[in-house]
Amino acid sequence: GQNIDQPTEMTATEGAIVQINCTYQTSGFNGLFWYQQHAGEAPTFLSYNVLDGLEEKGRFSSFLSRSKGYSYLLLKELQMKDSASYLCAASDSNYQLIWGAGTKLIIKP
Amino acid sequence: TAGITQAPTSQILAAGRSMTLRCTQDMRHNAMYWYRQDLGLGLRLIHYSNTAGTTGKGEVPDGYSVSRANTDDFPLTLASAVPSQTSVYFCASSDSSEAVTGLPNYGYTFGSGTRLTVV
Repeated sequence: GQNIDQPTEMTATEGAIVQINCTYQTSGFNGLFWYQQHAGEAPTFLSYNVLDGLEEKGRFSSFLSRSKGYSYLLLKELQMKDSASYLCAASDSNYQLIWGAGTKLIIKP
Repeated sequence: TAGITQAPTSQILAAGRSMTLRCTQDMRHNAMYWYRQDLGLGLRLIHYSNTAGTTGKGEVPDGYSVSRANTDDFPLTLASAVPSQTSVYFCASSDSSEAVTGLPNYGYTFGSGTRLTVV
């Protein structure tokens, strides 16, 4: 079956760095997405990886290893506004997105 | 502001009643999707449409129907609501569907969601 695993909740300190991991199993693979979702709001697109390696975009970076079925989202210089849920999603052979349940990130001062 | 509009924002619905959740986008995206999001679960795909005039079933289609008469609108209908359909519903669109164009999908734009409570 198809499955996405990510931690349910993580806590980090303002100004620090946090890494949110995601493992996936899909029928075929056409890329890995990360979305941010603040409480009560819609998900918003953060990153897309289809090739192995690290993609950097400001304070956020995303990494993909296709052979390991593994990705992570790295958030640097954490700010209070980064408190949100982070959703990992993999695109399968039909280009449908399979979603993880999300990781709730709590930032403490 | 360009994007996706969902209506209503929230609704309390008696079990057995029917209801249509509306979704309109003005980005001319060809692919549209309906998801439900429940606490502790990921977004689950209900129905999708790769292009106007076509629809497909997602992971949890039972009890729901959709239509795609034109590019902009993608309504979701609950014919006879049941309490298990209590959820937050998100409509989304993307500017390409690999199934149609072969181009990679660089992300979905989501509507603000409809919170539905079936009692």
